[in-house]
Amino acid sequence: AQSVTQPDIHITVSEGASLELRCNYSYGATPYLFWYVQSPGQGLQLLLKYFSGDTLVQGIKGFEAEFKRSQSSFNLRKPSVHWSDAAEYFCAAMEGGFKTIFGAGTRLFVKA
Amino acid sequence: DAGVTQSPTHLIKTRGQQVTLRCSPISGHKSVSWYQQVLGQGPQFIFQYYEKEERGRGNFPDRFSARQFPNYSSELNVNALLLGDSALYLCASSILAGGPVEQYFGPGTRLTVT
Repeated sequence: AQSVTQPDIHITVSEGASLELRCNYSYGATPYLFWYVQSPGQGLQLLLKYFSGDTLVQGIKGFEAEFKRSQSSFNLRKPSVHWSDAAEYFCAAMEGGFKTIFGAGTRLFVKA
Repeated sequence: DAGVTQSPTHLIKTRGQQVTLRCSPISGHKSVSWYQQVLGQGPQFIFQYYEKEERGRGNFPDRFSARQFPNYSSELNVNALLLGDSALYLCASSILAGGPVEQYFGPGTRLTVT
């Protein structure tokens, strides 16, 4: 069955430190891949997407993600975290263009 | 340009009642999808509509139904509400229903069933 796994329920990083959030997918073929961020009580904001081509994709707010087909992974990274990055992050995959499957999310805490 | 809008923002219903949630897509977007997000979980796909036709349905009971209007806005209806229906209901719009497309999410409707 198609699935998206985010192994880390929550992560705490110090402000200014680097960040990597993990995401693995299980699909028959390579799906379209997304990372979203959600602040408490809010909707989802798209950070970046991978459709094809260059496996390192740049997004908004200084985030990037790398698609690795051999590992079925699409990890999100940021070189220096700001306190305003504290939020819930969701990895998602879409196949066929109509059904998006989301991971359970990773809650990011940023300590001063 | 206005983003995806949803109404109401919050509502409280009693078990057994019926509820209608509304969504207006971004101008020019013809596809609307609905998701349910239970507290502490990722969004779960409920429906997608494109050009007023249902294109996909997630694993939800028949108590959940939806429709899309000629102006591409959409309604999600839930009958015979259960406590477990308490969630944030998200609407997303996209230009097309197929292929590599971005979805833009609204702020959601918080439904509480008591």
